[in-house]
Amino acid sequence: KAGVTQTPRYLIKTRGQQVTLSCSPISGHRSVSWYQQTPGQGLQFLFEYFSETQRNKGNFPGRFSGRQFSNSRSEMNVSTLELGDSALYLCASSLAGGPGANVLTFGAGSRLTVL
Amino acid sequence: DQQVKQNSPSLSVQEGRISILNCDYTNSMFDYFLWYKKYPAEGPTFLISISSIKDKNEDGRFTVFLNKSAKHLSLHIVPSQPGDSAVYFCAAAQGGNTPLVFGKGTRLSVIA
Repeated sequence: KAGVTQTPRYLIKTRGQQVTLSCSPISGHRSVSWYQQTPGQGLQFLFEYFSETQRNKGNFPGRFSGRQFSNSRSEMNVSTLELGDSALYLCASSLAGGPGANVLTFGAGSRLTVL
Repeated sequence: DQQVKQNSPSLSVQEGRISILNCDYTNSMFDYFLWYKKYPAEGPTFLISISSIKDKNEDGRFTVFLNKSAKHLSLHIVPSQPGDSAVYFCAAAQGGNTPLVFGKGTRLSVIA
């Protein structure tokens, strides 16, 4: 059974650019969550999608957005990149509707460096 | 306001001894707790969980203890092995359909 796949694994952007990250969940998983990991802040919740709808949202500015497609694949977008956006972006999927009540399975992450 | 706190950024333990990783939380509505392990260049992997109706859950070398009155949980690893060297994250959830809230992690080094 394939795990959670995130692409690209590594990318470098410059300030002001935008970036799109992709996540393919485990087959059958309908909930996809995104987290940002930075050395000082640990894992911080960005948003969660279930059945193509954003169900939960963390405390991030509007430059961070996402969407989910009918096949449960998800993308997140960061516009007008800032140096502080450099981080590991982790996607996680879960089987049932509630990520809080179920175990999240994480992908390996997309490491974004903003210069 | 950090709702899940792991106050020890790092911990070193000798191989074969017990590793104890601690986690405190402030939100009394949390009712489900998990531990994840993360190796470099990999995503976190689920280790063990406990619901608020229990005070202990065991899985092989790993045991999680929950003290609801103190809002504290701990992960015990016995015996510790060099392969256990990783960053351990504590996470908590408030019922279904709510996001997991993670601590900042504790880096465990098991020395052979």
